[in-house]
Amino acid sequence: DADVTQTPRNRITKTGKRIMLECSQTKGHDRMYWYRQDPGLGLRLIYYSFDVKDINKGEISDGYSVSRQAQAKFSLSLESAIPNQTALYFCATSDPREPTDTQYFGPGTRLTVL
Amino acid sequence: AQSVTQLGSHVSVSEGALVLLRCNYSSSVPPYLFWYVQYPNQGLQLLLKYTSAATLVKGINGFEAEFKKSETSFHLTKPSAHMSDAAEYFCAARSAGNKLTFGGGTRVLVKP
Repeated sequence: DADVTQTPRNRITKTGKRIMLECSQTKGHDRMYWYRQDPGLGLRLIYYSFDVKDINKGEISDGYSVSRQAQAKFSLSLESAIPNQTALYFCATSDPREPTDTQYFGPGTRLTVL
Repeated sequence: AQSVTQLGSHVSVSEGALVLLRCNYSSSVPPYLFWYVQYPNQGLQLLLKYTSAATLVKGINGFEAEFKKSETSFHLTKPSAHMSDAAEYFCAARSAGNKLTFGGGTRVLVKP
């Protein structure tokens, strides 16, 4: 089984709808991250959480919110989706006890907002 | 702020030829550096990482990267391309707070 899972893998929605993307991990890592990927821009950080009580904004947090329900679960919400939020979304985890705190990525969720 | 630049959004190589993907970072303090690979319809997989232990880093699938502080570069190479190397490759630099800054990605096409 995959260490980092994301649901759904694909989602098509309409402008103005509320959407939640979910991420679960079995790696036992404290740190979790949400990124979006757009062609030519690489991945950009939306939000990150270093433990259950810690939530931080990344470089592109506007229009998004997150919830860290447990060490293993980190959800990303789009309160009112808009077309320019169409992108590939990735969740990642890391363990600060590892010297390089390497981030490990889930398979991604492809979101289309019509 | 940290920035990472990957020269060339697309690279085409023949099977068996050298693969060279370029990455430059902006920090004056050498950060931790990473190369990830993304195969079609998959997430990012770690290829290799620079941790300051050695300037030449070997990764999976025959890839390696060399850290050059004087050039602020961390270029990725593979001596002989395989068809299975067709993918998108991302260079990333880690800054304070374990924030990763990614380059724009380089898509590799391998021609038979």
